Amino acid sequence: EVKLLESGGGLVQPGGSMRLSCAASGFTFTDFYMNWIRQPAGKAPEWLGFIRNKANGYTTEYNPSVKGRFTISRDNTQNMLYLQMNTLRAEDTATYYCARSGNYGHYFDYWGQGVMVTVSS
Amino acid sequence: DIQMTQSPASLSASLGETVSIECLASEDIYSNLAWYQQKPGKSPQLLIYYASSLQDGVPSRFSGSESGTQYSLEINSLQPEDEGDYFCQQSYKFPLTFGSGTKLEIK
Repeated sequence: EVKLLESGGGLVQPGGSMRLSCAASGFTFTDFYMNWIRQPAGKAPEWLGFIRNKANGYTTEYNPSVKGRFTISRDNTQNMLYLQMNTLRAEDTATYYCARSGNYGHYFDYWGQGVMVTVSS
Repeated sequence: DIQMTQSPASLSASLGETVSIECLASEDIYSNLAWYQQKPGKSPQLLIYYASSLQDGVPSRFSGSESGTQYSLEINSLQPEDEGDYFCQQSYKFPLTFGSGTKLEIK
């Protein structure tokens, strides 16, 4: 059974940093692209970026809305995905999800349960 | 960025009815369109990918279609558990983008 479990959310001050983690299990982690997606309360999801699989060199792609502030990485020995967020702003307040890309394109076939990040003083 | 214009924003329908939700892409996305269902307090769940391919485990009353840059999700024979939010997402070009969502209420 595919499982994705995020952790590391909470309250952070504007300008601060936070790292989110996502523990993956139930599939061959290195075979899949892995994504971070966020969703402010009551709004649509926003794709933040992904990190490619082993066959594609674990390279990254980002949404320009967060490029330069957010960094996606993975530890393939621990089946972990990470999102490092810097210079956080109030508008970064949202539920953050990790999600696995599907086999046939850039859609998301499994999602974690999400973790809340609140940026506020 | 590719804009996904989703309609309606909300709809209310009765058990057993058929409803349709639309997404209009701002440019050709060549069938690279997915649909998700999200229930309150839960993460989105994939229903349809590549415009009309049903994800494993999703009931066959859900179906997807396309006409040019217009994509549709149809839900036949509405069930109580179909209540929730529905989002489309284009997977053709970066950044990947979502529609604004449709809230479906079952009367």
